[in-house]
Amino acid sequence: DAGVIQSPRHEVTEMGQEVTLRCKPISGHNSLFWYRQTMMRGLELLIYFNNNVPIDDSGMPEDRFSAKMPNASFSTLKIQPSEPRDSAVYFCASSYQGARTEAFFGQGTRLTVV
Amino acid sequence: AQSVTQLDSHVSVSEGTPVLLRCNYSSSYSPSLFWYVQHPNKGLQLLLKYTSAATLVKGINGFEAEFKKSETSFHLTKPSAHMSDAAEYFCVVSPNQAGTALIFGKGTTLSVSS
Repeated sequence: DAGVIQSPRHEVTEMGQEVTLRCKPISGHNSLFWYRQTMMRGLELLIYFNNNVPIDDSGMPEDRFSAKMPNASFSTLKIQPSEPRDSAVYFCASSYQGARTEAFFGQGTRLTVV
Repeated sequence: AQSVTQLDSHVSVSEGTPVLLRCNYSSSYSPSLFWYVQHPNKGLQLLLKYTSAATLVKGINGFEAEFKKSETSFHLTKPSAHMSDAAEYFCVVSPNQAGTALIFGKGTTLSVSS
């Protein structure tokens, strides 16, 4: 398996634009997580899906952020409109059986909003 | 409630000397515990995991960790540091409950000097 695949690896966008980050989890995994990492706040859990259903989205910063998982092999994280303070590295991770096993991380998307 | 505390935000060692990264956890349930490593501009990689089997867990690259229930600790050690060990290390607790996500510590940055 190629592991968790995220795209794009780098994204530079202007303030106010819509940004969509994509994630393909490991085949057979039924849990998917979106994290955000910044120097100031460290690693933050944004949202957690189990069997394609959002379980906990309490970490989503505000309504500008939305996440979907239309099927077991694809998820998106959308920011609309984007702001400079959204600049961060966004990680997607997947696991089998949620918190009972380790999560496998993608390489991340480095987002810069100018 | 579950939580994890990494006692040092930054640890500096010389090449060839032992490494100790400290982690304490709090969990209402019998937890699973993990250590992840993140090299600069990379994703997070699993170093080792404890899931209620042997209390001394061996991981990749010569690292190991010991689960001590009486001390609620899961410290990461390595007998001899290598320059390539310089990275950020995260201690992680799994609440082992359905519908919950992994809980990350704030990370410890390990610097290795020659």
